[in-house]
Amino acid sequence: EAGVTQFPSHSVIEKGQTVTLRCDPISGHDNLYWYRRVMGKEIKFLLHFVKESKQDESGMPNNRFLAERTGGTYSTLKVQPAELEDSGVYFCASSYISGSNEKLFFGSGTQLSVL
Amino acid sequence: AQSVAQPEDQVNVAEGNPLTVKCTYSVSGNPYLFWYVQYPNRGLQFLLKYITGDNLVKGSYGFEAEFNKSQTSFHLKKPSALVSDSALYFCAVRDRIFGSARQLTFGSGTQLTVLP
Repeated sequence: EAGVTQFPSHSVIEKGQTVTLRCDPISGHDNLYWYRRVMGKEIKFLLHFVKESKQDESGMPNNRFLAERTGGTYSTLKVQPAELEDSGVYFCASSYISGSNEKLFFGSGTQLSVL
Repeated sequence: AQSVAQPEDQVNVAEGNPLTVKCTYSVSGNPYLFWYVQYPNRGLQFLLKYITGDNLVKGSYGFEAEFNKSQTSFHLKKPSALVSDSALYFCAVRDRIFGSARQLTFGSGTQLTVLP
């Protein structure tokens, strides 16, 4: 079974440019999460999809970040325009069971560097 | 608000010795607690979780963690470390009652290095 895949693994862009990160969850997983780890600090929640609907986007830092999950399959996270403080590792995770038995499967992350 | 503290950025231990990676948490209600591990160029992998029941939880790769409610701690332990255990370890918490959004709060991570 394929795991959660993220593309690209690394992205280096200049301040003001646009970057789009992609996450392909495990097939059949309705829940999809985005997280971010900045400068070696905590991994922080960004948002949560259930199928194609945004269940919780309370962690999105500002309106430069736009996440979509059309059709309830893969998801994209667009940063436009990128700022220096957006640099970090962006993780995607998916699951198919909610509640106390929910188990998250993480992708290997996208390392974003904004210069 | 919930939070997790991992007081050590780096832990070094000799192979064969016991290891401990510390974690303390803060939540409004009762917690669900987790440990995840990240090997180089890999995604976070689930190690173990505490939901309810026995305070000592056993997980993958011989790891275990002890839930201590009075000290609000959930330290990760292993009796005998292996070089292959070297990785980045994250503790995470979710409030059982108010975590309806199911988002986890993670600590800042602890880099474990097991020396041969």
